[in-house]
Amino acid sequence: AQKVTQAQTEISVVEKEDVTLDCVYETRDTTYYLFWYKQPPSGELVFLIRRNSFDEQNEISGRYSWNFQKSTSSFNFTITASQVVDSAVYFCALSGFPYTGTASKLTFGTGTRLQVTL
Amino acid sequence: DAGITQSPRHKVTETGTPVTLRCHQTENHRYMYWYRQDPGHGLRLIHYSYGVKDTDKGEVSDGYSVSRSKTEDFLLTLESATSSQTSVYFCAISEEQMNTEAFFGQGTRLTVV
Repeated sequence: AQKVTQAQTEISVVEKEDVTLDCVYETRDTTYYLFWYKQPPSGELVFLIRRNSFDEQNEISGRYSWNFQKSTSSFNFTITASQVVDSAVYFCALSGFPYTGTASKLTFGTGTRLQVTL
Repeated sequence: DAGITQSPRHKVTETGTPVTLRCHQTENHRYMYWYRQDPGHGLRLIHYSYGVKDTDKGEVSDGYSVSRSKTEDFLLTLESATSSQTSVYFCAISEEQMNTEAFFGQGTRLTVV
């Protein structure tokens, strides 16, 4: 069975602080995909990143960066110099490799609510 | 933005009544999904479809049925709504299976009283 754990329910930071959102996953698949989605107060889900299990390189996109460590089954998300517009619920998710039973299912964590204040 | 439309966006219904939620896409994606979002649970898969008339159950399918008679439409039906089905329902689409980027609709807030 697949499982995604986001132990941080809520985080509050002051603007310009760096913040890291933790994600730990469990899967029996040897190959899989990891995702982060953002849900702003307006409610829609916005895709941020997809990473396959073959690629353990860290990724940076502007103020966002992701640290994938297969050894610890973690896929953490860091926002550098946070801004008020980053306030949202962030979900980590996991799916299996193509054409396997788990590939048809995106398993979500329970989400981390990030509040950035001035 | 991906062309996904959910209707209705909000609905209040009484316990025991049937309810149908509609998801319409203009992307011609093969896969369509229904998720529900509840506090403390994140999003959980209800049903999904991998083609016209091809559907399968997710982890929380009890009390729900789906139909897909056209590529662009995926219907979720609550045959007899219960208060435990009060939730926000999201439709999602993907070109291939869920290992590719999925696009989500705006959500439908359903309240069963």
